[in-house]
Amino acid sequence: AIRMTQSPSSFSASTGDRVTITCRASQGISTYLAWYQQKPGKAPNLLIYAASSLQSGVPSRFSGSGSGTDFTLTISCLQSEDFASYYCQQYYSYPWTFGQGTKVEIK
Amino acid sequence: EVQLVESGGGLVQPGGSLRLSCAASGFTFNNHQMSWVRQAPGKGLEWVANIKEDGSEKNYVDSVKGRFTISRDNTKNSLYLQMNSLGAEDTAVYYCAREKWGGQLDCWGQGTLVTVSS
Repeated sequence: AIRMTQSPSSFSASTGDRVTITCRASQGISTYLAWYQQKPGKAPNLLIYAASSLQSGVPSRFSGSGSGTDFTLTISCLQSEDFASYYCQQYYSYPWTFGQGTKVEIK
Repeated sequence: EVQLVESGGGLVQPGGSLRLSCAASGFTFNNHQMSWVRQAPGKGLEWVANIKEDGSEKNYVDSVKGRFTISRDNTKNSLYLQMNSLGAEDTAVYYCAREKWGGQLDCWGQGTLVTVSS
């Protein structure tokens, strides 16, 4: 199975900050990568697919980049509603796998 | 409005069985592959299984192969997960999710909790 490793696992930030989360795949996955946001007690929400395509309805402050093995999720100007956990997911080959998650907390 | 509603979770003893259901509405169900994803308490997400639009192909994570069976009834707009030989490691919230196309999970249910304990 392809292993997805996110960094950092958690960090603190302030509203207005520009934040970047990285995701590394154990083998090349082209751009078959998605990013999700999850708030406590809620289902995940798709933010980015195909590594850099913004899902409909998702604010433009979210962006994704990368291909092959290295990917990033960037939030250009952190808002209060963005404090949550974020997961990357590869859908290049079965079994699909998620990163372990990155929790963004309020500083 | 696109909606997915899971049901069937609960407390089950080790070695027992449970069948989860997911009722879909607000979209053309038979146009989408569907997945189950689980999340153990306080842990991350784990993809469990998926099924093609017509049910002709199914895929599973290794840890559930031979124990879980995914199925669907397109006449009822419903997705199912039959879980047998359950162990403590299967304790989780189980989500059903619609695939946008080829793997992106663009719509999720609210989840149903499965607890395996004696």
